[in-house]
Amino acid sequence: AQSVTQPDIHITVSEGASLELRCNYSYGATPYLFWYVQSPGQGLQLLLKYFSGDTLVQGIKGFEAEFKRSQSSFNLRKPSVHWSDAAEYFCAVVGFNAGNNRKLIWGLGTSLAVNP
Amino acid sequence: GAGVSQSPRYKVAKRGQDVALRCDPISGHVSLFWYQQALGQGPEFLTYFQNEAQLDKSGLPSDRFFAERPEGSVSTLKIQRTQQEDSAVYLCASSPREWSTEAFFGQGTRLTVV
Repeated sequence: AQSVTQPDIHITVSEGASLELRCNYSYGATPYLFWYVQSPGQGLQLLLKYFSGDTLVQGIKGFEAEFKRSQSSFNLRKPSVHWSDAAEYFCAVVGFNAGNNRKLIWGLGTSLAVNP
Repeated sequence: GAGVSQSPRYKVAKRGQDVALRCDPISGHVSLFWYQQALGQGPEFLTYFQNEAQLDKSGLPSDRFFAERPEGSVSTLKIQRTQQEDSAVYLCASSPREWSTEAFFGQGTRLTVV
């Protein structure tokens, strides 16, 4: 079965520091992978996605992620964090249920705090 | 509207009460998803509509949960005889393409069952 693991429940970084949020997936074929951000009181917003092609994908707000098949990982990175990046970050993979219907399977999320 | 709108934003229900949660997707979007997000968890898939057809309801946790989208636009998630374990944020998402999981999310409805 498809699954997503986000090993870090909570991360704190200083403003201006670099950031890497980890995501590992379990999926037999080439996965469709997503990173979403959820700010307090806001809906989930898509940061970036990987379907195929270049394994380094660029997203909004200066985020990028790298798909590494050998490590079953899709880690999210940002070179310099801003205070407004404090939020909950979710990694997700497209999975299929018994009826071969498509749906998103989500990790538990990583809560990011940013120190001034 | 400009985005996916959900109402109410917050709902407190007494155990055993029925509730109805509304989702207004982006106009013209074919796909509509409902997710349940418990505190400290990631979203869990509940059900999927393609226009008015409910093509996947495999994630609905029990027969107390019912969703509809009669005219292929607004959707309602109904929970009958609410229980404390139903307390969660219910998220709606819509997409312009069939089966597309690249969707736009609403802000959610936070349901608290007391």
